Amino acid sequence: QIQLVQSGAEVKKPGSSVKVSCKASGGTFTSYTFNWVRQAPGQGLEWMGRIVPLYGTTYYAQKFQGSVTITADESTSTVYMELSSLRSEDTAVYYCASEPQYSSTYGMDVWGQGTTVTVSS
Amino acid sequence: DIQMTQSPSSLSASVGDRVTITCRASQSISTYLNWYQQKPGRAPKLLIYAATNLQSGVPSRFSGSGSGTDFSLTISSLRPEDFSTYYCQQSFSSPRYTFGQGTKLDIK
Repeated sequence: QIQLVQSGAEVKKPGSSVKVSCKASGGTFTSYTFNWVRQAPGQGLEWMGRIVPLYGTTYYAQKFQGSVTITADESTSTVYMELSSLRSEDTAVYYCASEPQYSSTYGMDVWGQGTTVTVSS
Repeated sequence: DIQMTQSPSSLSASVGDRVTITCRASQSISTYLNWYQQKPGRAPKLLIYAATNLQSGVPSRFSGSGSGTDFSLTISSLRPEDFSTYYCQQSFSSPRYTFGQGTKLDIK
């Protein structure tokens, strides 16, 4: 089964950008769709967007349109999430999560360990 | 956007209790509903997909039901490791998803 390993914690200044990576192993990269989900301290889960590497298509939650960019590098089986114009409210744990590419019915069954992003001046 | 509302937001129960958590969608989502368990400091874990299907490796004391707008997650007999936060998530509006606000289950 696929495994997802994310990059390490980041501390960023307000107004800057952060790029978090999620490396997949143990499966065929293009057989999956990769989602990004974030969780602010003490809060619930918030879906941000997803990428379908097989087609190169991306989809974003309306809230994150224009501030989030999700990309994929098939050569390294790595997905990236870049969040720009950071504010303190973006302080959160960011997760990548995979699901089968062929269907959205089966849920996000594999998750990365999470990456803590702290935005502070 | 489809809104997902869970109830209750928090719940206290004892080991051995039967508990049910509900999730209501703002519009019909057929059975495009998944349930996740999250423990503090850990990534969420998929429990139930497509409203009623138990994810591989998940104990049979967990079950899901519902269709349309109303769904439930039931734990038939609580074990100590079940005290966690539970989230529902709709995939009807794929490719865009939404989560419920979560239900925290703690020990009475």
